[in-house]
Amino acid sequence: EAQVTQNPRYLITVTGKKLTVTCSQNMNHEYMSWYRQDPGLGLRQIYYSMNVEVTDKGDVPEGYKVSRKEKRNFPLILESPSPNQTSLYFCASSLLGTPARGNTIYFGEGSWLTVV
Amino acid sequence: GESVGLHLPTLSVQEGDNSIINCAYSNSASDYFIWYKQESGKGPQFIIDIRSNMDKRQGQRVTVLLNKTVKHLSLQIAATQPGDSAVYFCAESFSGGYQKVTFGTGTKLQVIP
Repeated sequence: EAQVTQNPRYLITVTGKKLTVTCSQNMNHEYMSWYRQDPGLGLRQIYYSMNVEVTDKGDVPEGYKVSRKEKRNFPLILESPSPNQTSLYFCASSLLGTPARGNTIYFGEGSWLTVV
Repeated sequence: GESVGLHLPTLSVQEGDNSIINCAYSNSASDYFIWYKQESGKGPQFIIDIRSNMDKRQGQRVTVLLNKTVKHLSLQIAATQPGDSAVYFCAESFSGGYQKVTFGTGTKLQVIP
């Protein structure tokens, strides 16, 4: 089954304690991306990757890091989490970076992160 | 997932009726539009898309209408069912280089049985 898998799904952590949210896709997609979803703001892109070892900043990259060492994995790293990073996070992938017809963006189930 | 929907406009529809969800997009250069459905506790799912050279596209029970003049997009769901209850949001994109997708904030659809 084609899917994007994120872990953990739910996490409560304390300010400053480094954490990593993993993301894996089994569709051999080149393009992967991280979004955060906050009430009233819609999905905002944090980082994206067009292919292995190619990453770039999205709209809200501050406080986050990513890496793309393998095609299937795209972890999101919060080196020193702060309460304003409390949010619902989605990993997404698509065959290519171009959202043309037929190049559907697939989303993971989401990771609820609370920083206290 | 429920807190994402708390601040959204809500459309309540009787089961069996048709639903119309509207979206205003911001970039007049956008040439590709997508509707997503997000059920509680789940990630967004693709429903239907449309290019700017079309003004209407139909899928199974869903129709998307595009009015470029007023930068307006709508999603029509025929014979709405309880399983259609979700948050729906549109997304816009511009072809050219890296095609960034900008997502709307969404509308919550509540189907009354």
